[in-house]
Amino acid sequence: AQSVTQLDSQVPVFEEAPVELRCNYSSSVSVYLFWYVQYPNQGLQLLLKYLSGSTLVKGINGFEAEFNKSQTSFHLRKPSVHISDTAEYFCAVSDGDAGKSTFGDGTTLTVKP
Amino acid sequence: DTGVSQDPRHKITKRGQNVTFRCDPISEHNRLYWYRQTLGQGPEFLTYFQNEAQLEKSRLLSDRFSAERPKGSFSTLEIQRTEQGDSAMYLCASSLVLSGGGYTFGSGTRLTVV
Repeated sequence: AQSVTQLDSQVPVFEEAPVELRCNYSSSVSVYLFWYVQYPNQGLQLLLKYLSGSTLVKGINGFEAEFNKSQTSFHLRKPSVHISDTAEYFCAVSDGDAGKSTFGDGTTLTVKP
Repeated sequence: DTGVSQDPRHKITKRGQNVTFRCDPISEHNRLYWYRQTLGQGPEFLTYFQNEAQLEKSRLLSDRFSAERPKGSFSTLEIQRTEQGDSAMYLCASSLVLSGGGYTFGSGTRLTVV
């Protein structure tokens, strides 16, 4: 069975500061990893995904994530956040056939001026 | 491409009534997923289809829940004899097999059982 743990339920940060949202997963097979963002009153939107190859993955809106197999982690980072990045962020894992995904409980990122 | 559409956006129903939700995926996507999301939690898998075949259903899903995708296009999710615990956001998503994963989500249907 797969599981995802998002280590921080809430992350407050000031505008233009760097941010890291942490995600750890467990799985018995090779995995695909994803980050989604959910803005207030909107659906989830795919930020980035790791399938294979380079462990550093770049996504939309300046976000990137690094896959670390030995630590079973897939942390999301952005060097300088904006007010508009305030949202809920979800980490997810699926098995190799890209079937169902298992989601974490989310991290609320609040960017303050 | 208008994205993934879900109807209705909101549904309030009395306990014991049946409800049905509809999802129209992106037309070229052959996989369709249903998830449920409650406040403070991530989406919870319910079931998914590849074309018209239902490939997996959550073991935690009550028999009161049923989903169909009769022609491999739109899908419906029915909840019979609703309970207050069914109150949640019901999310639909679609994807292409062999695309490498990653869903396109709809905006969801918020169900409130009173």
